[in-house]
Amino acid sequence: DARVTQTPRDKVTEMGQEVTMRCQPILGHNTVFWYRQTMMQGLELLAYFRNRAPLDDSGMPKDRFSAEMPDATLATLKIQPSEPRDSAVYFCASGLFTMAYNEQFFGPGTRLTVL
Amino acid sequence: AQKVTQAQTEISVVEKEDVTLDCVYETRDTTYYLFWYKQPPSGELVFLIRRNSFDEQNEISGRYSWNFQKSTSSFNFTITASQVVDSAVYFCASSYGNNRLAFGKGNQVVVIP
Repeated sequence: DARVTQTPRDKVTEMGQEVTMRCQPILGHNTVFWYRQTMMQGLELLAYFRNRAPLDDSGMPKDRFSAEMPDATLATLKIQPSEPRDSAVYFCASGLFTMAYNEQFFGPGTRLTVL
Repeated sequence: AQKVTQAQTEISVVEKEDVTLDCVYETRDTTYYLFWYKQPPSGELVFLIRRNSFDEQNEISGRYSWNFQKSTSSFNFTITASQVVDSAVYFCASSYGNNRLAFGKGNQVVVIP
């Protein structure tokens, strides 16, 4: 049963520290998404990639967030420096998109707490 | 702009009752897809159903059914004979642009045994 995996599952850090979250998409999927979930804003799209190329990262604060796909099996989301307002659950999702639109499959999320 | 509205924030039902979740979407796209996802207490988002905009036939899949009405931009979701395991947050979503999804705020469903 193929699944999206994310590490770490939980992260507690202090303000100003660097945070790196990792995602392994489902093998064969060509599109990877990063979302952030908070009580106030709900689910927000931060960035996404198609065939490892960034398509849109307009949802991310550019000065502190960065997203990359070093290879087809790894996507990373980095926050430097972290701030308390970054506390949220960060989800990675992947999907196979061709002519039709197919569903996105979500990972278990990384719960980030910035003190 | 893409917008998905789920008006009911929390819905409580007694086990075996049916529960219907309302979803209204706004889109400028002529072709789009609509989804329902479930987020149980464990936190993972689970895909439930997908419907494309050019097929308004309503369907039933097990205890799930959905009612898509393009004329009113609504995509409602029903769980029949609810069970405690159905307790979760349910999200409606609409596709836009290049395979992106806009999510509603979610409906918290509580099934009381």
